Amino acid sequence: GAGVSQSPSNKVTEKGKDVELRCDPISGHTALYWYRQSLGQGLEFLIYFQGNSAPDKSGLPSDRFSAERTGGSVSTLTIQRTQQEDSAVYLCASSFLAGGYTDTQYFGPGTRLTVL
Amino acid sequence: AQSVSQHNHHVILSEAASLELGCNYSYGGTVNLFWYVQYPGQHLQLLLKYFSGDPLVKGIKGFEAEFIKSKFSFNLRKPSVQWSDTAEYFCAVTATGRRALTFGSGTRLQVQP
Repeated sequence: GAGVSQSPSNKVTEKGKDVELRCDPISGHTALYWYRQSLGQGLEFLIYFQGNSAPDKSGLPSDRFSAERTGGSVSTLTIQRTQQEDSAVYLCASSFLAGGYTDTQYFGPGTRLTVL
Repeated sequence: AQSVSQHNHHVILSEAASLELGCNYSYGGTVNLFWYVQYPGQHLQLLLKYFSGDPLVKGIKGFEAEFIKSKFSFNLRKPSVQWSDTAEYFCAVTATGRRALTFGSGTRLQVQP
């Protein structure tokens, strides 16, 4: 079946502009995660959605970052007033929540964000 | 807070050599352990995972890993690498109360033909 998809694949923006990144999870997966991958910081967790529960926002680096998940499926990560340090690959993952904490996350191809 | 350490940042091997990549984690509770691989130009893919049971787990493409609880380790092994194994390898952990993955810094493996 189809995997996790993300759009756009590449985004170049100017410092100070807002950007929106989109993630379509695997159909039927109830959990959705955002991570970012950068040279200096490696792979970092940003935010996690589980069903209708309040999201876990503990990884968001600043209040310029926000995300929403509409209808329990598609998610949008928004970065306001982008800074050069926001340049990274933003990865989305989804999982089908099994019992306990034994779900496996499947990753999308990422969106490469470059802030000039 | 939990953390994951991968001590080998860059490994260069010749084809047919054996591979062992180290992974240590710091967390005292119940953990789930993963190895992901990122081939050049491709997205992260799951190699193998450990949730419970036999501490020796086998994954795709001939990879295996052994969970040693007393050493807080989950090392990745392959008896004979191929050029196509050139990639970056990430060890990751989830734990009770934390579904998000905590990743190690990654190991870049370069296999020379």
